[in-house]
Amino acid sequence: DGGITQSPKYLFRKEGQNVTLSCEQNLNHDAMYWYRQDPGQGLRLIYYSQIVNDFQKGDIAEGYSVSREKKESFPLTVTSAQKNPTAFYLCASSSGTGGNNEQFFGPGTRLTVL
Amino acid sequence: DAKTTQPNSMESNEEEPVHLPCNHSTISGTDYIHWYRQLPSQGPEYVIHGLTSNVNNRMASLAIAEDRKSSTLILHRATLRDAAVYYCILRAWNAGNMLTFGGGTRLMVKP
Repeated sequence: DGGITQSPKYLFRKEGQNVTLSCEQNLNHDAMYWYRQDPGQGLRLIYYSQIVNDFQKGDIAEGYSVSREKKESFPLTVTSAQKNPTAFYLCASSSGTGGNNEQFFGPGTRLTVL
Repeated sequence: DAKTTQPNSMESNEEEPVHLPCNHSTISGTDYIHWYRQLPSQGPEYVIHGLTSNVNNRMASLAIAEDRKSSTLILHRATLRDAAVYYCILRAWNAGNMLTFGGGTRLMVKP
């Protein structure tokens, strides 16, 4: 089945540690995205990538980093510089970035900082 | 992306149709109307989108007002599994990068 997978589903981190969230898609989509969702809120864009080896900052990129070495993969690293990292993280992909393209989302990773 | 306005919550009875409204008075001529829904503790799921004409798919129907300043997502027979937050989003034809999610409508379905 085609789709987006994220791992792990739950992640616990001690303060001061970097953690990497995995996102893989087998939809052959060029564009991939990372969003953050806080309780009761909408999604906010962290980073996006329109093509391999290229990515751009979204609205809340500070304290996060990404890479896009393969079309299928777009990992997100939450660094110790992120002041309030506890949140629900969602990865998405789309075949294009125009208004006529829908985004497909993964199941999410819930990160908790202890 | 232009702004949309949705009711905070709605209730429906199981097996009955549900009409979820969305106002988007500042929509431009090239904005697409997208609907997503999010079940508890899950990622958002694409439901439907359209530009000017009404649209139907296996999940729902989208009715777009003639002046395009409002739209309605129609679930023909609500089930308990349809209980979710429904987001109405406008995306320009050259939208670029992201979806801008507002507060959405929390749909509760009663058995």
